[in-house]
Amino acid sequence: DAGITQSPRHKVTETGTPVTLRCHQTENHRYMYWYRQDPGHGLRLIHYSYGVKDTDKGEVSDGYSVSRSKTEDFLLTLESATSSQTSVYFCAISGDGNYGYTFGSGTRLTVV
Amino acid sequence: QQQVKQSPQSLIVQKGGISIINCAYENTAFDYFPWYQQFPGKGPALLIAIRPDVSEKKEGRFTISFNKSAKQFSLHIMDSQPGDSATYFCAASIQQDDKIIFGKGTRLHILP
Repeated sequence: DAGITQSPRHKVTETGTPVTLRCHQTENHRYMYWYRQDPGHGLRLIHYSYGVKDTDKGEVSDGYSVSRSKTEDFLLTLESATSSQTSVYFCAISGDGNYGYTFGSGTRLTVV
Repeated sequence: QQQVKQSPQSLIVQKGGISIINCAYENTAFDYFPWYQQFPGKGPALLIAIRPDVSEKKEGRFTISFNKSAKQFSLHIMDSQPGDSATYFCAASIQQDDKIIFGKGTRLHILP
């Protein structure tokens, strides 16, 4: 997707290992979000950021941490991956926090 | 607490038919109601959106109908085509808030 990239696109990791997913934007947008998508649950907000070093929790933040040291990068860390964190993770960006979210292409994470 | 309820979870429609997806909300402070479309392997993308001061918005074959008193809104896809097969998410937000709330999604399949 234009202006936003997620890496890696796919990852398989072992239970108990730390994992970091990266979201990079070139739009200079203030807001960045991490969602997970699971069948039957739709899109659930994990954490979001409203500026450099300004972050807040979403509805499913347990087991996840985030960091934003630069406007363009928003990192999601699974501190000790569990099988329940197997999911597709999407990053989104927004200029104003409400309207016209732009989503990345997602990271498919499998925890074995 | 789910603030936006979406139905049905899945929908099968014949080519040329009308696809209808419904959403209901609880928070009367919501002032923006977007719909997102997601194709397999891709992130969601903004499709169409409406504000509560209008009852209907149309863009091509896609129409949002909004009923403020019933706290419901729906997406109608006229002359549905196989290329419309995707997952659709309704959502809602409040201007002074900095995130949007998504429904759980509807998987739409258009039969050729």
